[in-house]
Amino acid sequence: ILNVEQSPQSLHVQEGDSTNFTCSFPSSNFYALHWYRWETAKSPEALFVMTLNGDEKKKGRISATLNTKEGYSYLYIKGSQPEDSATYLCANSYNTDKLIFGTGTRLQVFP
Amino acid sequence: GAGVSQTPSNKVTEKGKYVELRCDPISGHTALYWYRQSLGQGPEFLIYFQGTGAADDSGLPNDRFFAVRPEGSVSTLKIQRTERGDSAVYLCASSLNRGPGANVLTFGAGSRLTVL
Repeated sequence: ILNVEQSPQSLHVQEGDSTNFTCSFPSSNFYALHWYRWETAKSPEALFVMTLNGDEKKKGRISATLNTKEGYSYLYIKGSQPEDSATYLCANSYNTDKLIFGTGTRLQVFP
Repeated sequence: GAGVSQTPSNKVTEKGKYVELRCDPISGHTALYWYRQSLGQGPEFLIYFQGTGAADDSGLPNDRFFAVRPEGSVSTLKIQRTERGDSAVYLCASSLNRGPGANVLTFGAGSRLTVL
């Protein structure tokens, strides 16, 4: 079963706090790990795609790391802002074009 | 177009009715995907098109669901004899299909279907 699990399910932080969340996945047959951000009433937006063990990617205050041997990825947000409030989804592709999504981490940043 | 366009954005229908949801992908994107997100769940894969053909339809839940992409651009997801359990946000995405598995998907804003 290709389960992708995300934790925590939801997170509330104050503006300026740094935060991180986890995506876990079976490490066998891994191909690529995707992170998407989905703001309410908008389209999910691609953040990162990572394929190699040890990959680290950064986009502004958001960064992600990948460990394919143990089957996890972390997403970090430094100095959270209210506009970072969204659901963060991770997904695995397992060498197909069928992305298997986790249930997401819902982040709320309070001013 | 500039992005992936989905219509309608909201659809309320009665149990047993027929529904069509439309997706207009980014021009030049050969791959098109349909996903469904039910409350409290992550997006669930339904079907993937490469050009006009369905390359993988293993996610369609049953034969009430069907999708077409006759000219390799716009796609329509068709749901017959709708049931209350079909209520969800139906997401469409497209990609350049530069290679299996690492494609960045561009999503539409979704069509929210409510079956009463």
